[in-house]
Amino acid sequence: DAKTTQPPSMDCAEGRAANLPCNHSTISGNEYVYWYRQIHSQGPQYIIHGLKNNETNEMASLIITEDRKSSTLILPHATLRDTAVYYCIVTGRRAAGNKLTFGGGTRVLVKP
Amino acid sequence: ETGVTQTPRHLVMGMTNKKSLKCEQHLGHNAMYWYKQSAKKPLELMFVYSLEERVENNSVPSRFSPECPNSSHLFLHLHTLQPEDSALYLCASSPAKGGTEAFFGQGTRLTVV
Repeated sequence: DAKTTQPPSMDCAEGRAANLPCNHSTISGNEYVYWYRQIHSQGPQYIIHGLKNNETNEMASLIITEDRKSSTLILPHATLRDTAVYYCIVTGRRAAGNKLTFGGGTRVLVKP
Repeated sequence: ETGVTQTPRHLVMGMTNKKSLKCEQHLGHNAMYWYKQSAKKPLELMFVYSLEERVENNSVPSRFSPECPNSSHLFLHLHTLQPEDSALYLCASSPAKGGTEAFFGQGTRLTVV
C-alpha cells in the first residue's frame, strides 16, 4: 500500500472550515484514499473514502487531485467535538478484508 | 455506538495469568481484525480474519492467540504477557470485500503488571 504524509498537528477555529492535507504520491490506480479519526482513548471512526472522484457525506468532503497524488479532507464547520487525530490511509481493494495501515496522523485541535 | 462491542473495557493482569479479550459484531460483516495501540505509537495491525479464516498475522508473538469461531465473534487469548504488552487493543470489522469501510470497537485497555 502507498505511504501517506500528513502534517503532525494543526489548529482550527470553531465554526470555520478545517482543511486537512494528505500526500500520497506513490498511490497506484486501484488504491483508495480513506480517512478515519480517533478521539482520545476511543476506537477510530470512519469518515469517508474515495477512489478518484470527490466525495461528500454528512461528516466531511474529500477532494482528490486529478493526478491522485494528494487529497484534502474538509470539515465544513469544525466543532469542539471534532478535536481528534485524523488519519489518511491508502489501501487497495483486496479479496479478503481491508488492511488499514495507520501512520501518525494529524492531531487537530479545534479552539473556541 | 459503532455496532462493534469489545469486552472487557479495562483489564489488569499479571504476567502469569491467562485472559481473553472478546469482540462481537452484528453488522453482517465477515472480516474481523485485531489492532494494538501502544502509548504514543500508531495503531499496529495484528491479525485479519476473513470468512473465519486467518489471512494475516503480522509477526505477532505466540503469547497472543486469536480465535474466530464464527463471523460475528473474535477473541484474543492472552498468556504470559510482558509489561510492554500493555496497550489499547482494538477490534474492527468490515465486509470481506476490500474497498469498504471498517468499524472499530471502543477497545480494551490492557495493563500487564
